[in-house]
Amino acid sequence: GNSVTQMEGPVTLSEEAFLTINCTYTATGYPSLFWYVQYPGEGLQLLLKATKADDKGSNKGFEATYRKETTSFHLEKGSVQVSDSAVYFCALSATSGTYKYIFGTGTRLKVLA
Amino acid sequence: GAVVSQHPSWVICKSGTSVKIECRSLDFQATTMFWYRQFPKQSLMLMATSNEGSKATYEQGVEKDKFLINHASLTLSTLTVTSAHPEDSSFYICSVPSSGSGNEQFFGPGTRLTVL
Repeated sequence: GNSVTQMEGPVTLSEEAFLTINCTYTATGYPSLFWYVQYPGEGLQLLLKATKADDKGSNKGFEATYRKETTSFHLEKGSVQVSDSAVYFCALSATSGTYKYIFGTGTRLKVLA
Repeated sequence: GAVVSQHPSWVICKSGTSVKIECRSLDFQATTMFWYRQFPKQSLMLMATSNEGSKATYEQGVEKDKFLINHASLTLSTLTVTSAHPEDSSFYICSVPSSGSGNEQFFGPGTRLTVL
């Protein structure tokens, strides 16, 4: 069946460090891939998405490339800030036109000043 | 994007009681809403799809008689955990799908339920 595997946290970085959060998936067909972010006390917010192979999603300095050959959608940011501290969720939507998501377990990021 | 609220944000109840959780779409009419459950350090798991004006659609393994869903209006869906037990303690999150393309959803802040 479909699944999402996400690196476990917590991840603790110093401000301006490089961030990578790994996400790999298993799915039939061509899923859409998402990264959601959850700040303390708030709901999940869409950070970026990619709907087909080789698409690169980007937002707020974060990037992720849909790699079909490695079934991956790793999240990266070149220079993190304290305000990036949050929980990050990788997710896939396996069927076009529906909203059924499969989520990874979430990775907590803590950025220290 | 849509603003989604949940009430209460946390609740503690005794075993055997029922608890109602509300999910409101504050600026967006939603014929469909989703209910998720999240255990500590685990994924969000889709429990059911709430449909305005009709019965909810439950995912496999979710007890429909235990988790009652009512989509009363285009802006309100409620999840009632009936006869709650400690194993029902969890984080419950609702979402509203975007009307645009790309299968985006807008999520509420979640409700933490603790059953003693």
